[in-house]
Amino acid sequence: LAKTTQPISMDSYEGQEVNITCSHNNIATNDYITWYQQFPSQGPRFIIQGYKTKVTNEVASLFIPADRKSSTLSLPRVSLSDTAVYYCLVGVGNTGGFKTIFGAGTRLFVKA
Amino acid sequence: GAVVSQHPSWVICKSGTSVKIECRSLDFQATTMFWYRQFPKQSLMLMATSNEGSKATYEQGVEKDKFLINHASLTLSTLTVTSAHPEDSSFYICSAKEGTGVFAGELFFGEGSRLTVL
Repeated sequence: LAKTTQPISMDSYEGQEVNITCSHNNIATNDYITWYQQFPSQGPRFIIQGYKTKVTNEVASLFIPADRKSSTLSLPRVSLSDTAVYYCLVGVGNTGGFKTIFGAGTRLFVKA
Repeated sequence: GAVVSQHPSWVICKSGTSVKIECRSLDFQATTMFWYRQFPKQSLMLMATSNEGSKATYEQGVEKDKFLINHASLTLSTLTVTSAHPEDSSFYICSAKEGTGVFAGELFFGEGSRLTVL
């Protein structure tokens, strides 16, 4: 499984756009990139998933360059409630061996 | 989205006792479920992969006789911490994957179970 590297922490202010970049140099051809959000004492919550280029949903965008060795989660206009840990996961789903290995994650602090 | 429920949400037990944590997929069938442990301020650590109808696959360093996993049906997996000790106190989280296709899809996580061993 590809190892991921993210910044340990980031600070932002309400209303700003936040971009969190994840490095995954050893990503395999079949690997998808998934981002999760976790609040204290809760299970992670799915944010977005992509394979290449750009993916957008109602809460975030995910930018993946052509070489797929990194990805950037973009959170538009963050609020205080976006303060959480964000995890980037890289893995493949198949009947044989899908599993998830979490990296250290990025602690995002949103200030008023 | 699909819902994964864990029970109990928190449990306090005496050292030496065994504790069972349930993980249920409420509105989908999960051939595969995963169990994680998370210590304060740390990331989730994958403990084992639970496959319905077969033995769980444990990650290196996780004692299978200590952490018993049973995936008896497509909607239920249980984790039993046997002879719990204070160092087993942690936040235990399960997740389940809907379907078995090649598309990674979405992993659904439970709310977590806080275990405190006195």
